[in-house]
Amino acid sequence: EIVLTQSPGTLSLSPGERATLSCRASQSVSSSYLAWYQQKPGQAPRLLIYGASSRATGIPDRFSGSGSGTDFTLTISRLEPEDFAVYYCQQYGSSPPTWTFGQGTKVEIK
Amino acid sequence: QVQLQESGPGLVKPSETLSLTCAVSGYSISSGYYWGWIRQPPGKGLEWIGSIYHSGSTYYNPSLKSRVTISVDTSKNQFSLKLSSVTAADTAVYYCARFVDGDYYFDYWGQGTLVTVSS
Repeated sequence: EIVLTQSPGTLSLSPGERATLSCRASQSVSSSYLAWYQQKPGQAPRLLIYGASSRATGIPDRFSGSGSGTDFTLTISRLEPEDFAVYYCQQYGSSPPTWTFGQGTKVEIK
Repeated sequence: QVQLQESGPGLVKPSETLSLTCAVSGYSISSGYYWGWIRQPPGKGLEWIGSIYHSGSTYYNPSLKSRVTISVDTSKNQFSLKLSSVTAADTAVYYCARFVDGDYYFDYWGQGTLVTVSS
């Protein structure tokens, strides 16, 4: 079973700053199988990034994803007020299919 | 536009079975993809419960496998979750979602439904 560990748990930043969120897997993950979601209070998660680096439809280009193997990163280049939320990484494992989420990183206003 | 809508009791007694249904509109479940259940205890993170493929094959989180059953009703275009022997630890917001195989992400989610386990 693959475990995803996100860090930091909480990131305190100001609007306009750069946010760097980490997702580390306990064993190698195919980049194709790694996604990132944003969740705001009282809402369902929203897909941001899939395939480790591809932006979902309608996602601003200030969001970018990178990484491979066991280390993946979500970067928000310049934080907008609406970006303060919780972010989750998620991986899909085949044979048999399983799904795993990281524990989340909260990006809060400093 | 694809839409998913969870429904079911908001309160379940300990030791009983939690039952939820996810009604899908805008897409036929039998046409493809995985259809999954994810839950989120209050103030905590997301936990995958299980998924069902459009063919009917099911896959469960090993930590919940002994208590979970997911089924699909293609005639009603909906899929369901049953979680038996619930305890307070099963109190959570339960989401249903569509998983796109090939691109490997959950693209459409229900709004979530809070289920509280309490006597």
